[in-house]
Amino acid sequence: DAEITQSPRHKITETGRQVTLACHQTWNHNNMFWYRQDLGHGLRLIHYSYGVQDTNKGEVSDGYSVSRSNTEDLPLTLESAASSQTSVYFCASSERLIAGGATDTQYFGPGTRLTVL
Amino acid sequence: GNSVTQMEGPVTLSEEAFLTINCTYTATGYPSLFWYVQYPGEGLQLLLKATKADDKGSNKGFEATYRKETTSFHLEKGSVQVSDSAVYFCALKKSSGDKLTFGTGTRLAVRP
Repeated sequence: DAEITQSPRHKITETGRQVTLACHQTWNHNNMFWYRQDLGHGLRLIHYSYGVQDTNKGEVSDGYSVSRSNTEDLPLTLESAASSQTSVYFCASSERLIAGGATDTQYFGPGTRLTVL
Repeated sequence: GNSVTQMEGPVTLSEEAFLTINCTYTATGYPSLFWYVQYPGEGLQLLLKATKADDKGSNKGFEATYRKETTSFHLEKGSVQVSDSAVYFCALKKSSGDKLTFGTGTRLAVRP
């Protein structure tokens, strides 16, 4: 069965360190998204990609970067981790239909809980 | 810009009670509307959706109707179970793009 996985599931790091969170999907979806989930804010979009070599900033992109070198993976990098980036991170993917009629359903990974000390 | 407003939780109900979780939205054009559910320790999964005005989405006994006149998409279930305990997110997607805008989520706790 197709799936979307994230690793690690839990990570503790120190302020100033570079951290990379992995996201891998076997749906063969063109669209991939990274969100962070914080109490009182719901899910907020960090970065997203509509295909290989395409990346776009979301509403809370400062301090984060992504790269899309293949269809399956969209790693999220925190260049210099800050305590404000302690959160639960979710990756999602969705199909992009031809002729502008993109499908609606996003499929989510299980999440990565990141703690920055 | 687009936004989604949900009622604040937590909502605590007894088993077999009636559930309503309110959701209203602000968006231009004709967005698609969704309810996602997050069970403890898991990622989000789609519960139901509606893509145009007056559409009713339904799944697992949950229902929501797309009301353009009141810009609402309230989630209802006639008889909740303990297994429905989760966080529920209302979301919208503009017709011209693939990004979702989420509400803050409403936690539901169902007592036996």
